[in-house]
Amino acid sequence: DGGITQSPKYLFRKEGQNVTLSCEQNLNHDAMYWYRQDPGQGLRLIYYSQIVNDFQKGDIAEGYSVSREKKESFPLTVTSAQKNPTAFYLCASSRTADKEKLFFGSGTQLSVL
Amino acid sequence: EDQVTQSPEALRLQEGESSSLNCSYTVSGLRGLFWYRQDPGKGPEFLFTLYSAGEEKEKERLKATLTKKESFLHITAPKPEDSATYLCARGIREKLTFGTGTRLTIIP
Repeated sequence: DGGITQSPKYLFRKEGQNVTLSCEQNLNHDAMYWYRQDPGQGLRLIYYSQIVNDFQKGDIAEGYSVSREKKESFPLTVTSAQKNPTAFYLCASSRTADKEKLFFGSGTQLSVL
Repeated sequence: EDQVTQSPEALRLQEGESSSLNCSYTVSGLRGLFWYRQDPGKGPEFLFTLYSAGEEKEKERLKATLTKKESFLHITAPKPEDSATYLCARGIREKLTFGTGTRLTIIP
């Protein structure tokens, strides 16, 4: 089945630690996105990528980094500089011709130990 | 910058009791309005895209409508499986602004 796979489902971060969230898609979509979801807030865009080896900052990029070495993969690293990392992280993809129709993964819940 | 407001925050309905969810926004112009459904612990699932005032889209018990400043998601004779959080978003290309959602509970 085509879709987006995020892993792990749950992740715990220790103080000062960097952690990486995985996102893989087999939909052959060019564009990929990372969103953060906090209770009582709308989804906020962290980073997005429209083609391989290129990505742009979203509204809340500070403390995060990404790479796009392959079309299928768009991992997100939450660095120690992100002081409030606890949130539900969602990866999404879309076709270039229909960018607002997002296909989401099942999310990763990141918590701080 | 567009602001998107959804109301109510939460809605409890008896099975079969029809109602509407509201999504209002501040910026007019040529950009889409999108509805998603999100189940607990899952990612949102795309439902509808609306672009023009007066436009309507339907899917099973859901119908989305659009005016110049707001959109409604009408739910007709809902079933317990319609329980979810419904998100709306507005924007163009990768610049989407999401609302905080309406958490809908359908009681059998």
